[in-house]
Amino acid sequence: QVQLQQWGAGLLKPLETLSLTCAVYGGSFSNYYWSWIRQSPGKGLEWIGEINHSGSAKYNPSLKSRVAMSVDTSKKQFSLKLTSVTAADTAVYYCARTDSSWAFDYWGQGTLVTVSS
Amino acid sequence: QSVLAQPPSVSEAPRQRVTISCSGSRSNIGTNAVNWYQLLPGKAPKLLIYYDDLLPSGVSDRFSGSKSGTSASLAISGLQSEDEADYYCAAWDDSLNGYVFGTGTKVTVL
Repeated sequence: QVQLQQWGAGLLKPLETLSLTCAVYGGSFSNYYWSWIRQSPGKGLEWIGEINHSGSAKYNPSLKSRVAMSVDTSKKQFSLKLTSVTAADTAVYYCARTDSSWAFDYWGQGTLVTVSS
Repeated sequence: QSVLAQPPSVSEAPRQRVTISCSGSRSNIGTNAVNWYQLLPGKAPKLLIYYDDLLPSGVSDRFSGSKSGTSASLAISGLQSEDEADYYCAAWDDSLNGYVFGTGTKVTVL
């Protein structure tokens, strides 16, 4: 059974860097892409980007200048960094597995990140 | 950026059927697979439909998906109180070179 467990700081000040990590338990790590998705309060879902086991990444064009993703294949973990955060980045952040049909079939539990001075 | 349009809300009585539409364009729904997700408060999203009309293992067959041209639909039959949730369509967009979600639809069971 595939499980994703994520962690990271939940409270940030403006202009700080958001940092989250997601660990994958069960299943293959190298056969999938791994994504980050967020949901701002009262708003919809937003895809942040994805990365595969070799480090090849795609980012949402609207966030590309501030996003960086990385992988640690030995630990079956992948990470998200989002720089220069503002209140608009306050959201629940999810990690998820991306299958071949671009479906996110397994999700992490979500991390609420609040940006406030 | 939500480029996939959904109705903000739909409501129906228990045991009835509701349909949620998702309107896109050639660069997303018209070319790529559509997936649907269910969001319950305080829980991680759940994949309901993938590749337009396929059910993941464990998902109730009361849920069904379809696609025609640049629009897709999610139907829920035999509506139950546990189906009260937000539903999102999603697809890859070749023009934006990114994955896009719909605007979301809140389903209310009367």
